[in-house]
Amino acid sequence: DGGITQSPKYLFRKEGQNVTLSCEQNLNHDAMYWYRQDPGQGLRLIYYSQIVNDFQKGDIAEGYSVSREKKESFPLTVTSAQKNPTAFYLCASTPGGGNTIYFGEGSWLTVV
Amino acid sequence: AQSVTQPDIHITVSEGASLELRCNYSYGATPYLFWYVQSPGQGLQLLLKYFSGDTLVQGIKGFEAEFKRSQSSFNLRKPSVHWSDAAEYFCAVGSYGQNFVFGPGTRLSVLP
Repeated sequence: DGGITQSPKYLFRKEGQNVTLSCEQNLNHDAMYWYRQDPGQGLRLIYYSQIVNDFQKGDIAEGYSVSREKKESFPLTVTSAQKNPTAFYLCASTPGGGNTIYFGEGSWLTVV
Repeated sequence: AQSVTQPDIHITVSEGASLELRCNYSYGATPYLFWYVQSPGQGLQLLLKYFSGDTLVQGIKGFEAEFKRSQSSFNLRKPSVHWSDAAEYFCAVGSYGQNFVFGPGTRLSVLP
């Protein structure tokens, strides 16, 4: 089945560590996105990529980094510069052109 | 500026009662409109979408939504709510070549 796979589902990080969240899609979508969701809050855009080897900052990019070396993969690194990284992270993709956006199941990151 | 508002943060209805969740948007271009549902700790699932044509659209799980251009609204409705409908609901807008904008969400509780 086609879809978006995020891993790990749960991740614990010590302060000062970088962690990387994986996102893989087999939908052949051009555009991919990372959102952050805090409890009881809506979605905030971290980074997005509309084509391989290109990506753009979203509304809250500070403390995060991404890469897009392959069409199907868009990993997110939460760096030690992110002051409050505990949140639920959602990866999404779309064929582009404002078409429907599809989401993965999300990853919980907790700083301990 | 592009924005989506969902005036109701939390709604409680009894099982079997009708439901209407409100969504208003401010968008410069002709919008594509979406409703998503999110269960706790899960990703967002598409309920329905409107691109053009008939302003009343049908979705999954018995939901429907009506686009009213004059009111900049895209309200979600269901004639009879089931306990399994308890979740968070997000309205979103997009357009060709533009990123999606999500509303803050409405949490639905269902009383037995």
